[in-house]
Amino acid sequence: AQSVTQLDSQVPVFEEAPVELRCNYSSSVSVYLFWYVQYPNQGLQLLLKYLSGSTLVKGINGFEAEFNKSQTSFHLRKPSVHISDTAEYFCAVTNNAGNMLTFGGGTRLMVKP
Amino acid sequence: ETGVTQSPTHLIKTRGQQVTLRCSSQSGHNTVSWYQQALGQGPQFIFQYYREEENGRGNFPPRFSGLQFPNYSSELNVNALELDDSALYLCASSQGRYTDTQYFGPGTRLTVL
Repeated sequence: AQSVTQLDSQVPVFEEAPVELRCNYSSSVSVYLFWYVQYPNQGLQLLLKYLSGSTLVKGINGFEAEFNKSQTSFHLRKPSVHISDTAEYFCAVTNNAGNMLTFGGGTRLMVKP
Repeated sequence: ETGVTQSPTHLIKTRGQQVTLRCSSQSGHNTVSWYQQALGQGPQFIFQYYREEENGRGNFPPRFSGLQFPNYSSELNVNALELDDSALYLCASSQGRYTDTQYFGPGTRLTVL
């Protein structure tokens, strides 16, 4: 079985400051890791994914994440946030069967002017 | 290229009724997955269809059922609606049975009174 823990339910940050959203997972098999963003009243948009290879993954909108196998973490970072980054962020894992995404509870990023 | 679409956008039902939600997959995708997202939570996997066959199911009762059609569009049916079924229902499409990335539609907001 797989599980995902997003350690912070809300992260307030000022505009142009750096941010890190934390994600830890547990799985008995190899996993693929994802970050999705959800804007108010919308579906989920893929930010980035880790399948294999380099542990530092770059995504859209200036976001990046680092896969750490020993710490079973996949934290999301952005060096300078904008007001428009205010949204809910979800970390997710799937096994190599690929038929099921397991999501964390989400982190609400609130960017203040 | 057309993305994932869902209909209706919103609907309101009463307890005990039945509901059908619809999803059109992204062009070139033959796999559809359904998720339930309760307010303030991460999405939970309901089931997946690959080429008209069920390819995995989450921890949902049998009153949640689905179909996939030859054009790879899909329906989610829920019988005997309960108040706890109120949620955002998300459809995601992907290419292939064992795939890494699911692309989400905007969701259907179901309210059960």
